[in-house]
Amino acid sequence: DAKTTQPNSMESNEEEPVHLPCNHSTISGTDYIHWYRQLPSQGPEYVIHGLTSNVNNRMASLAIAEDRKSSTLILHRATLRDAAVYYCILRRNAGNNRKLIWGLGTSLAVNP
Amino acid sequence: EAGVAQSPRYKIIEKRQSVAFWCNPISGHATLYWYQQILGQGPKLLIQFQNNGVVDDSQLPKDRFSAERLKGVDSTLKIQPAKLEDSAVYLCASSLTVESYEQYFGPGTRLTVT
Repeated sequence: DAKTTQPNSMESNEEEPVHLPCNHSTISGTDYIHWYRQLPSQGPEYVIHGLTSNVNNRMASLAIAEDRKSSTLILHRATLRDAAVYYCILRRNAGNNRKLIWGLGTSLAVNP
Repeated sequence: EAGVAQSPRYKIIEKRQSVAFWCNPISGHATLYWYQQILGQGPKLLIQFQNNGVVDDSQLPKDRFSAERLKGVDSTLKIQPAKLEDSAVYLCASSLTVESYEQYFGPGTRLTVT
């Protein structure tokens, strides 16, 4: 299973943009890049996913490198409620076994 | 839309005792997942069901863990006997189908084994 590498922790100020990096140099052609986040004492929640093109939704943007070996989750204006652990995950999009393989994630602190 | 329900939220047991966790997925979701999350780590998939059939249980310690989803709706995860290293949060998630890109997670059950 392809693995992802993320910084252990990052810090941001409220209302500023946040760029969360993820390296996935062994990604295969059928792997989608997923991002989930986990707020303190809660279950994870889906944030965004993509294959090759950059993606936007109401929560965030996902920028994917042209060679797909890295990606960046962008929170356009961080709020205190965005303080969470952010997980970058690769998910194979073939066959019945499409499980998410989770790493350690990046713990994001947001300063007021 | 009601989310994924789990109970209990917290459980403390002694080693060698047994424990069971219950999960009710979002209505209509065919795929159900049980994860184990040890403090400071990401979730690890224990078992995945598609309706009432097992899709993946490769990381389930079958000598002590069991899970069932008899009617293809709610599910139970059991540990018997528990070990100290089973202390973790047990998360249940569901998705519409096995191909769905989004999994919806419940709040989890925090298990402490003493």
